[in-house]
Amino acid sequence: EPEVTQTPSHQVTQMGQEVILRCVPISNHLYFYWYRQILGQKVEFLVSFYNNEISEKSEIFDDQFSVERPDGSNFTLKIRSTKLEDSAMYFCASCRIMNTGELFFGEGSRLTVL
Amino acid sequence: DAKTTQPPSMDCAEGRAANLPCNHSTISGNEYVYWYRQIHSQGPQYIIHGLKNNETNEMASLIITEDRKSSTLILPHATLRDTAVYYCIVRGMDSSYKLIFGSGTRLLVRP
Repeated sequence: EPEVTQTPSHQVTQMGQEVILRCVPISNHLYFYWYRQILGQKVEFLVSFYNNEISEKSEIFDDQFSVERPDGSNFTLKIRSTKLEDSAMYFCASCRIMNTGELFFGEGSRLTVL
Repeated sequence: DAKTTQPPSMDCAEGRAANLPCNHSTISGNEYVYWYRQIHSQGPQYIIHGLKNNETNEMASLIITEDRKSSTLILPHATLRDTAVYYCIVRGMDSSYKLIFGSGTRLLVRP
């Protein structure tokens, strides 16, 4: 069964460093999402991406964050100048049909900022 | 904010049916009800979704009331591996059709 894959599974970084989290969505999917989950808290929407541009972003998704689909297969989340509070699980999701199709989530990338 | 209300926790015995309720009294006519679960810190896993008719798949059944203001997810024969947080989500018809997760119901399946 096709699945969303994410790398790395765990990344440890120093505060102030840049981090890139990578996702390979399911191949025929057209809509892509990033979510995050701080330990013990809810899964929070960050951003959605369609047709090579951001379709919606949350208040969390400020100038520190950016997304890109550089080569038609990967979908990346870049976090510039990481802060301690960026420590969280980051989940990528993709969807084939926007209004009724289910989102399929990856297993997540755990980011630890020291 | 999430448009649904779920009990924070439930438990059931292994092998019995688990019935997880959800209230979504402000649901709009074209909004779907989705159920996901999250086992430990894994990625959320899709279970089932529906609009107004009852739905069944290999994982679960979804019963939606006639007025669509509430629904119940049924796991017919719960196993220990079904212990997870279950999220009932009304999917908005906004520009990105994103899912907004609430706190969900933590289901504990007892041996």
